[in-house]
Order: sequence, then C-alpha cells, then structure tokens
Amino acid sequence: QVQLQESGPGLVKPSQTLSLTCTVSGGSISSGNYYWNWIRQPAGKGLEWIGRVYSSGSTNYNPSLKSRVAISVDRSKNQFSLRLSSVTATDTAVYYCARDPRAGGYDWYAFDIWGQGTMVTVSS
Amino acid sequence: QSALTQPPSASGSPGQSVTISCTGTNSDIGGYNFVSWYQQHPGKAPKLMIYEVSKRPSGVPDRFSGSKSGNTASLTISGLQAEDEADYYCSSYTSSNNLVFGGGTKLTVL
Repeated sequence: QVQLQESGPGLVKPSQTLSLTCTVSGGSISSGNYYWNWIRQPAGKGLEWIGRVYSSGSTNYNPSLKSRVAISVDRSKNQFSLRLSSVTATDTAVYYCARDPRAGGYDWYAFDIWGQGTMVTVSS
Repeated sequence: QSALTQPPSASGSPGQSVTISCTGTNSDIGGYNFVSWYQQHPGKAPKLMIYEVSKRPSGVPDRFSGSKSGNTASLTISGLQAEDEADYYCSSYTSSNNLVFGGGTKLTVL
C-alpha cells in the first residue's frame, strides 16, 4: 500500500523560501506510472494545485505560482520536494502531496493517494 | 474566487439522492473529460471519488456517480448515508495545462 508523508518546517518567515519534502513508501517514485503533485488548502478554504513532477524530473506548474515554485524529485531517496520562494501570509495553508496515475500512456489528472498534509504558517 | 463554481451547501435525508453541480467554461470542463470529485471530512485529506467525469476508483461505492453536460459536471450520491456528510470538491484540467478546483460544497445529511 503506497503511502505519502509530508515533512518540513511548520513556520516560515515572510520573504523566505518554504521547503517541503514528500516521502513515498510502499512503492517506487521511479515507476514511471505516476505524476507527483503538491496541493495546498488555506484554513477554511478550497484546494489549489501547485504543480507536479514526473520521475524524469519534468515539471508542470500552476501559472499563478510558476514564478515562485520549484518541484524536484530525488529518486535515490524516493522523495519529491517543493520550494516556494518569497512567501507571504497568503501562502499560509495545509500543504498536501498527492499521486496522479498514468494509465495507457495518458494522465488521469486526478489524485488517488494523498499525504496527511502539513500545516505551514508564514509569520515573523 | 475559484475557477470552478460549486454551490456552497447541499443537503438531503438518509436514503435520498443529492446532486452537486460544478460549472466551468469551454476551456476546462467543457473542453476535456478530466473532471474529478473529492470528498473531504474535517481535518482529513481529500479522497478521490470520481475521475474522468464518471469513473470510480476501486473501493468507492457505486452510490457515487458522475456526469457532465456542456460546461457543467455533476456528482450524484444516491442512498445518502450519515458518513457521506463532508465537503466535496470538483476539479478539472484546463487548456492552459493547469488543474483547477471548485470552491467546495458542504453536504449535510439531515
């Protein structure tokens, strides 16, 4: 059973860079059958897709965040990571990592397995 | 403001059916069959209930069904149960290679 687990600082200062890691257990991040995503949710609000990475390292980002986001994969550690620069209070949210399957050579564009989420607060 | 529009609330009695709508544009829901629906209980991560408009992942009860007409997708829950009370979010792929969500619908089982 594949599981995802987010980790990283729960408090980040304004203007600094938010860094989170998602560890994949029970399966290989290199299998080629999945995209690995980051999604966030401010308290009491809806979901926002941040971006994704494939095992090859290729990425896609939400256009509204693209200038500040970098997602990378570390196949040796079975992990993928998020870096969000120049953060402000509006970046305060629960951050989820999630898996998006590929089947028959195309993408579901849906998230079938999620981590439990990690709360990140941007405050001085 | 979310890219996809959902009603903020919906309700139904146990055993009844309820339908939640999700309205987008020709650039998202209307242009692609990559609509998905998620159930989220308080303090929990979302759970995938429907993908590609009407497909159910393994383990999701067949009481949950999805459909699409034009720029509007719908999630129908039949035979409502108490445990169905949750927030529901729709999502769609878009022409700008983006993924967008609706604002969420809080479902109350009366």
